[in-house]
Amino acid sequence: ILNVEQSPQSLHVQEGDSTNFTCSFPSSNFYALHWYRWETAKSPEALFVMTLNGDEKKKGRISATLNTKEGYSYLYIKGSQPEDSATYLCAFDMDSNYQLIWGAGTKLIIKP
Amino acid sequence: DSGVTQTPKHLITATGQRVTLRCSPRSGDLSVYWYQQSLDQGLQFLIQYYNGEERAKGNILERFSAQQFPDLHSELNLSSLELGDSALYFCASSGWVSTDTQYFGPGTRLTVL
Repeated sequence: ILNVEQSPQSLHVQEGDSTNFTCSFPSSNFYALHWYRWETAKSPEALFVMTLNGDEKKKGRISATLNTKEGYSYLYIKGSQPEDSATYLCAFDMDSNYQLIWGAGTKLIIKP
Repeated sequence: DSGVTQTPKHLITATGQRVTLRCSPRSGDLSVYWYQQSLDQGLQFLIQYYNGEERAKGNILERFSAQQFPDLHSELNLSSLELGDSALYFCASSGWVSTDTQYFGPGTRLTVL
């Protein structure tokens, strides 16, 4: 059974602090890794699609790294703001079989 | 606004009933995905259609079925509804390669009483 694990499950961070969390996925048959941001009462929105080992992507204060050999990706948020409060989901794409395998998400709460 | 539309926004029905959820993908997107999010659960992939044909199947119950029409809109049919089917149902659309971003609709909140 393929499993995508995200840790921690939830995270409380003080406004202004930087933080990071992890997505672990099977290291074999890797095709792509997706990161999504899901705010309460809204729909998930794509952040990054990562395909190459060593990939680093950045969007504003949010960045992500990818290690396909060991099967993990980190998402970093620099200088957290209240609007960063959301659940961050990763999804693993194996061998382009069209079905993403989703992690349960890391719920990030920014304390003002 | 992702460009993906879903109707209805809310649906309240009784056990044993049948409902149809509708999704219109973004203009130009050929793939449609259906997901279920139950209380305190993550996103569960149900099924994917590409240009009218079923492409991938996830944990979709036999009581559920879906189709994608020639105009690319999709419908998810849920029958013999049970209390446990109460959930938020999302539709997403994307282009033709799996590395394409999936764009999610606003969801349909189904409540089975």
